[in-house]
Amino acid sequence: QVQLQESGPGLVKPSQTLSLTCTVSGGSISSGDYYWSWIRQPPGKGLEWIGYIYYSGSTYYNPSLKSRVTISVDTSKNQFSLKLSSVTAADTAVYYCARDLGGGSYPRGMDVWGQGTTVTVSS
Amino acid sequence: QSALTQPASVSGSPGQSITISCTGTSSDVGGYNYVSWYQQHPGKAPKLMIYEVSNRPSGVPDRFSGSKSGNTASLTISGLQAEDEADYYCSSYTSSSTWVFGGGTKLTVL
Repeated sequence: QVQLQESGPGLVKPSQTLSLTCTVSGGSISSGDYYWSWIRQPPGKGLEWIGYIYYSGSTYYNPSLKSRVTISVDTSKNQFSLKLSSVTAADTAVYYCARDLGGGSYPRGMDVWGQGTTVTVSS
Repeated sequence: QSALTQPASVSGSPGQSITISCTGTSSDVGGYNYVSWYQQHPGKAPKLMIYEVSNRPSGVPDRFSGSKSGNTASLTISGLQAEDEADYYCSSYTSSSTWVFGGGTKLTVL
């Protein structure tokens, strides 16, 4: 059974870069059958899709975050990562990684999620 | 891309049916059959309930169903149960090859 686990600093200073990693266990990130997504949820607010990556390295980003986001994949470690630059307090959120059905075609829905990790932006 | 439009809240009594709407545009909901619905209990990660408008993942009760007409998708829960009380989010694939979420709907079981 595939499981996802987010990891990274829980506190980031304003203007710095937020870096998170999602480790995939119980399955291969290189299977080609899935996309791998990042989603966030500010306190008390709704979900915001950040972007996704295919194992080949193809990426798609939320237009509102595109200038600050980089998602990468490390197939040797079965991990994918998120970098968000120039963070402000508005980037404070629970960050989730998720597996998205339909790799190689249209994404079809995120069926496996990590437990989420809270990132606070504060000096 | 603009968020999809969902009602802020809906409510129903146990055993009843409720429907949550999700309105977008021809560039997302209306243009693709890639609409998903997620259930989120407080403090928990979202759970996929419906994908591709009306498909249920294994393990999701058949009380949950999805449909779409034009630019509006809908999630219907029949035979409402106390454990269905949660936040529900719709999501749609877009013409920009991205996902967009709705603002979320809080379901209260009276």
